[in-house]
Amino acid sequence: SQKIEQNSEALNIQEGKTATLTCNYTNYSPAYLQWYRQDPGRGPVFLLLIRENEKEKRKERLKVTFDTTLKQSLFHITASQPADSATYLCALRGPLCSRHKQASGAGTASKLTFGTGTRLQVTL
Amino acid sequence: DSGVTQTPKHLITATGQRVTLRCSPRSGDLSVYWYQQSLDQGLQFLIQYYNGEERAKGNILERFSAQQFPDLHSELNLSSLELGDSALYFCASSPSPGGYTFGSGTRLTVV
Repeated sequence: SQKIEQNSEALNIQEGKTATLTCNYTNYSPAYLQWYRQDPGRGPVFLLLIRENEKEKRKERLKVTFDTTLKQSLFHITASQPADSATYLCALRGPLCSRHKQASGAGTASKLTFGTGTRLQVTL
Repeated sequence: DSGVTQTPKHLITATGQRVTLRCSPRSGDLSVYWYQQSLDQGLQFLIQYYNGEERAKGNILERFSAQQFPDLHSELNLSSLELGDSALYFCASSPSPGGYTFGSGTRLTVV
């Protein structure tokens, strides 16, 4: 079955250090992968999108890598700050691997499927 | 303000009742997505509409239904409510392709 796995344990790091979060997936052949930030009780906020033909993407203190061979994305926050404390979600959009397309039916490739997220806590 | 508007923000209702959640997408976005997020679960995809037509369906219960109107706003109808339906319900819109813009959600409490 299709899976998106993120470390369910909270990541605690000290202010100023680099936080690295991992997203692994199986039975997907994603056209692109996205990362979101979610604060408690609020909607996720889009951060970055990386396409399958891109190895790395940067935006200010954020960096995302995408390894389609390892089926893994890494999300880095450099010079982390307490304000970066939140849950970070990775999300995948189709296509599914070919043998799953038929089982899922038409239209499912367009939806975004989210991992359960990793909670990051940055302390002083 | 993300540009995606969801109403109401909070809803408390009794089991067996029916409620309607409303979403107005960001201006120019034709796609609307509905997600459910329970306390101990991640975001679960319910349904997608694109320019008024149903485009994709997730694990949406038969008691739930949705529609998208000509002005592109969408409504999610939840009926015969059960305690387990208590959750945050999010609506999102997106250009195609691109990141989703989520609303602030409707917190539904079934008592």
